[in-house]
Amino acid sequence: KQEVTQIPAALSVPEGENLVLNCSFTDSAIYNLQWFRQDPGKGLTSLLLIQSSQREQTSGRLNASLDKSSGRSTLYIAASQPGDSATYLCALYGNNRLAFGKGNQVVVIP
Amino acid sequence: DTEVTQTPKHLVMGMTNKKSLKCEQHMGHRAMYWYKQKAKKPPELMFVYSYEKLSINESVPSRFSPECPNSSLLNLHLHALQPEDSALYLCASAPGVLSSYTFGSGTRLTVV
Repeated sequence: KQEVTQIPAALSVPEGENLVLNCSFTDSAIYNLQWFRQDPGKGLTSLLLIQSSQREQTSGRLNASLDKSSGRSTLYIAASQPGDSATYLCALYGNNRLAFGKGNQVVVIP
Repeated sequence: DTEVTQTPKHLVMGMTNKKSLKCEQHMGHRAMYWYKQKAKKPPELMFVYSYEKLSINESVPSRFSPECPNSSLLNLHLHALQPEDSALYLCASAPGVLSSYTFGSGTRLTVV
């Protein structure tokens, strides 16, 4: 069974600092990895999808990398803003389902 | 239209009530999903529909009954729920099982 771990569980950073969120997984037989953002009490917003054959994806200030051999993905958010405060979830597709990590809860302090 | 629409946004129901949650998408996605999310926890898969057929049931109690009337619509029928079923219920869709998921904003369910 795929196990997904996100570290740190929670972090606070001052505005303008870069954010680095880590996701590790136990089974490298994945098809793709997707990063989501969730605001309190809301649904999930897709940020980036990385196919298993890709090493990274970029969108604006966001960059996500995937290293299947080491079972790791990193989400990098440049120049953080208070609006980036949210929970970030990593999810891996395999065995006909998405396996989610517990999330990184981020607070960006103005 | 690039959204998954869920209604209602909030629902309070008694343990003897029957209610339904609705999920709609017009993106032509052929895979649709129901997830349950408790506070401070990740979403948990409940059901998967592929091409309007139920393909995965994650051993969900029978008081939850999914239905996929057509390729755009997914329902979750609720009956005789327990207070511990209170949660955020999320619907998602994808073009295919290996594609990017799109989630709805969820229905906040409270069972009293």
